[in-house]
Amino acid sequence: SQELEQSPQSLIVQEGKNLTINCTSSKTLYGLYWYKQKYGEGLIFLMMLQKGGEEKSHEKITAKLDEKKQQSSLHITASQPSHAGIYLCGALPSSNTGKLIFGQGTTLQVKP
Amino acid sequence: NAGVTQTPKFQVLKTGQSMTLQCAQDMNHEYMSWYRQDPGMGLRLIHYSVGAGITDQGEVPNGYNVSRSTTEDFPLRLLSAAPSQTSVYFCASSPTGAGANVLTFGAGSRLTVL
Repeated sequence: SQELEQSPQSLIVQEGKNLTINCTSSKTLYGLYWYKQKYGEGLIFLMMLQKGGEEKSHEKITAKLDEKKQQSSLHITASQPSHAGIYLCGALPSSNTGKLIFGQGTTLQVKP
Repeated sequence: NAGVTQTPKFQVLKTGQSMTLQCAQDMNHEYMSWYRQDPGMGLRLIHYSVGAGITDQGEVPNGYNVSRSTTEDFPLRLLSAAPSQTSVYFCASSPTGAGANVLTFGAGSRLTVL
């Protein structure tokens, strides 16, 4: 079965610093999805990557998928306290839709 | 638009009791799924459905039953609760087509089994 490994598991950064979260798959990804979870709440969709080499940005968050489609990174520039939460990557284990598998999550704290 | 609604938000059960976690969505989404979230383990897929009358198992289906009689509802049943089922449960839905894997999540249901 496909496994997604996220690193680091937790991260504490000073406000204004940049940071990167990685998501690595044991198999080729058919799609990679980044979600954010605020403490005690449900997950919010951030970005979707489907093509090798694809890169997307929204505000200060940039997500990339490598050419081999086995690794993705999420980069936050000039972090703010509002970026704090749990970031999870999700992927399709096959071409089947509606069945996302998730990594274990990265907990981000941003110190003001 | 309510989105995905889960009830109850909190529940405490004794070992061996049964209960149903309710999930309803008002977006006419075909795909619905149940996940559980445990510390250090991320989200694990329990069961999912690609439409009314169709369900399939996910990564950790044992101890849980589901049915999908309507597009809107996807209840999760625990037949005989065990302490290992203490977790936070999330229901999610998504449309077909290009947005099929852009999940909309409910707020979660925190279950404690004593």
